[in-house]
Amino acid sequence: QQPVQSPQAVILREGEDAVINCSSSKALYSVHWYRQKHGEAPVFLMILLKGGEQKGHEKISASFNEKKQQSSLYLTASQLSYSGTYFCGTGGGSNYKLTFGKGTLLTVNP
Amino acid sequence: DGGITQSPKYLFRKEGQNVTLSCEQNLNHDAMYWYRQDPGQGLRLIYYSQIVNDFQKGDIAEGYSVSREKKESFPLTVTSAQKNPTAFYLCASSLGAEPSTDTQYFGPGTRLTVL
Repeated sequence: QQPVQSPQAVILREGEDAVINCSSSKALYSVHWYRQKHGEAPVFLMILLKGGEQKGHEKISASFNEKKQQSSLYLTASQLSYSGTYFCGTGGGSNYKLTFGKGTLLTVNP
Repeated sequence: DGGITQSPKYLFRKEGQNVTLSCEQNLNHDAMYWYRQDPGQGLRLIYYSQIVNDFQKGDIAEGYSVSREKKESFPLTVTSAQKNPTAFYLCASSLGAEPSTDTQYFGPGTRLTVL
């Protein structure tokens, strides 16, 4: 079943923070985060595995709450280059295919 | 440079025609995937292959076919049975064959328009 992302869209000014959530109705084994610019390929940001630690990448980090079956992506001190659509992909277990959410459109304005 | 290539970038076809989308990778990745992306729908899995000469249906396989005769190639054929083929098609690959835990890297995509 497709994970639910929230919010659907968010507009920020440069330097502001944002949180994007990804929730699943099924038990999660993994969560993958991607960013996609319009008309381009999704770019991998990070993967979180069940029982693993919170991940970080520059000013972008993520958490994984297994009990709540959800993950959150944190973007701090946003930059113009952060604009794009963020997707989470959830995995239900070893050898299970990823199921992607519908995406969150993030717009960072000067 | 290693990477995933998809061709063509834009493709137009007449209704009722079959068309094949190319996907090649020189990353020596074991697994390859095809996704379809429609506005507001996210990515939906069409087919994936974890090993040469083997592939599995994804969530929306009807009207599509694939082959995996070589490790580096995973072409997708959109058949006339696909009722609404206009979409952005993305190919991906991963080093390992575990879709849930291996990072998938995407190609630049092919935008298919049915006239």
